[in-house]
Formats: sequence, structure tokens, C-alpha cells
Amino acid sequence: QVQLVESGGGVVQPGRSLRLSCAASGFTFSTYAMAWVRQAPGKGLEWVAVISYDGTNKYYADSVKGRFTISRDNSKNTVFLQMNTLRVEDTAVYYCARVIGGTRSGWFDPWGQGTLVTVSS
Amino acid sequence: QSVLTQPPSASGTPGQRVTISCSGSSSNIGSNTVNWYQQVPGTAPKLLIYSNDQRPSGVPDRFSGSKSGTSASLAISGLQSEDEADYYCATWDDSLNGVLFGGGTKLTVL
Repeated sequence: QVQLVESGGGVVQPGRSLRLSCAASGFTFSTYAMAWVRQAPGKGLEWVAVISYDGTNKYYADSVKGRFTISRDNSKNTVFLQMNTLRVEDTAVYYCARVIGGTRSGWFDPWGQGTLVTVSS
Repeated sequence: QSVLTQPPSASGTPGQRVTISCSGSSSNIGSNTVNWYQQVPGTAPKLLIYSNDQRPSGVPDRFSGSKSGTSASLAISGLQSEDEADYYCATWDDSLNGVLFGGGTKLTVL
């Protein structure tokens, strides 16, 4: 079955870096765009970034542009989120999701279970 | 504040029909399809409706979606206790070049 498993979350100090991974299985990874979506404690969903099936196109939310980088390794069926210069407001559960209908789409299915990132001194 | 506007809460009794609205603009809902997600607290979101009005396999036909102009709606008929969850609309925005989520609607089954 289609499955996404995130890893790499944890507690980090403001200004430091963290790299999230999302391992995919059960589908042809190299033919789908992938996205990261986050949810701060007690808040709603916020889209973070998306990468096209071949990695050539990437889009970011203004809140993370210039600090976060999305990438993928199609040989390992994995998508990454490199998070630099982390801020307290980046604290959230980070979900990865498969994107249906092209890179510029809000159709996500399925979602991973999420990984918690806590930015605190 | 989200550019896609949803009511923060909605409620109904078992068996009732409830609707949740999602209001946007020409650069998002007006020019792209809308998707809906259901999130039970403590779990990952789940796709409920895609491409405005399509249900994935496994989603009961009690759930339906519609879109008109720059607004969309999610309707739940025959409300059941297990429908108690948070509901989000989402779509691409051509001006922002990114995905927008609505602020979410907390549905309570009384």
C-alpha cells in the first residue's frame, strides 16, 4: 500500500538547522510531485513547499523562503526538507504528502504520520 | 490570517445535514480546483474531496463538495458522531505561487 514515513524531527535551538526525510513506498515515486505541510500546536495546516516529480521545479511559502530547501532522491524514494536558521515559530508537526494532479496542486494523498520539530532555547 | 476563509466552527445533531463554506478569490478558488481534508485531532489529515466534488474510494457518499465562482462548500448529510473532526479546504493560488489552506472548521456533533 502507499505509505509515507517521516523522520528527522526533534528539539533544536533557534538559529540551528535540521533535516527532515520522508521515505515513500507502494507507488512509483519518480512520477509524483511531493510536498511538505506543517501544523503548529493547536493551529491549522500551513503549506511549506512542493517539488516536482523530477526535482526541477520547487515552490516555497513566503514564511520559509530562503531558509528551507526541498529536495528529492528518486533513486531512494525519499524527499527531504533542509531547514536552516530555525525560528521558534517553525515549531510544528511536519507532514509530507504525495501531490496528485501536478506540481501546482492542492490535492494531497496520502499524508505521512508527521514528525514533530520543536525550536526552543 | 488565511486567504481562504472558513467558519471556525460548525455543529449539528446526528442525522442532520451541515455545510462548511470556503471563500477565496479569483487567483485561487476562482481559477483552480478545491480539495477538502478531514483531520481527527492527533492524527494526520485525510483527503475527503478532490477536484471540487470528487470522492476518493472509501469516503462515504454522505460527504459531497461543490464550487461556484470563488467559493466552495463541503456538505455532510446524515451526520454521525465519527464525523466530529477539523475540516480544511485547500487550493493552489496563482498569485502566491503556492498552496493555500483555509483556517479550518471544527465540526461538533451534539
